[in-house]
Amino acid sequence: ETGVTQTPRHLVMGMTNKKSLKCEQHLGHNAMYWYKQSAKKPLELMFVYSLEERVENNSVPSRFSPECPNSSHLFLHLHTLQPEDSALYLCASSPLAFSNSPLHFGNGTRLTVT
Amino acid sequence: DAKTTQPNSMESNEEEPVHLPCNHSTISGTDYIHWYRQLPSQGPEYVIHGLTSNVNNRMASLAIAEDRKSSTLILHRATLRDAAVYYCILKTSGTYKYIFGTGTRLKVLA
Repeated sequence: ETGVTQTPRHLVMGMTNKKSLKCEQHLGHNAMYWYKQSAKKPLELMFVYSLEERVENNSVPSRFSPECPNSSHLFLHLHTLQPEDSALYLCASSPLAFSNSPLHFGNGTRLTVT
Repeated sequence: DAKTTQPNSMESNEEEPVHLPCNHSTISGTDYIHWYRQLPSQGPEYVIHGLTSNVNNRMASLAIAEDRKSSTLILHRATLRDAAVYYCILKTSGTYKYIFGTGTRLKVLA
């Protein structure tokens, strides 16, 4: 148990579908992150929320839409994805976004777009 | 963003020490050196971090060169469970960006 829970673990969706990835942390952290990990590529930072406000939107296409309703939950809404969006999507949290506190990662959602 | 350079892969024998190197010649004075590892089918896991002095914790030790242009993660006795990809990351104090590279894949031989 990592303290950061992501659901679902695996997701297969067609290009016209709409789906959402969920992330939950009960560590009392105030910052949450979405990272994308494609095969043989470094982790790419997608979005950062600090105290429920988005502080980073790293040139991510609008077909990815994040939502942070409270400091414990983070969602990534997906629509009209492309096959190249297939990847492992990782959620992380940290006590504060602008500190040197370590990131705590979930085990990710493996997304396949067909 | 300051960059790090790590070997693509390394091998170690079980129960022997492992020294994982990282070069960061463009490090600035406010950059912390962080190490994470990613086991198969899992998210990355924090290992250790430091600024200038060597650091020890229950998982590993971090040796930082005097000029801070390189560092070494030391696993004192490698086990099969330590087989993972190890990432060396520079994080500028006061920012939120952890920039991951491609890391070093460590293989531990029984």
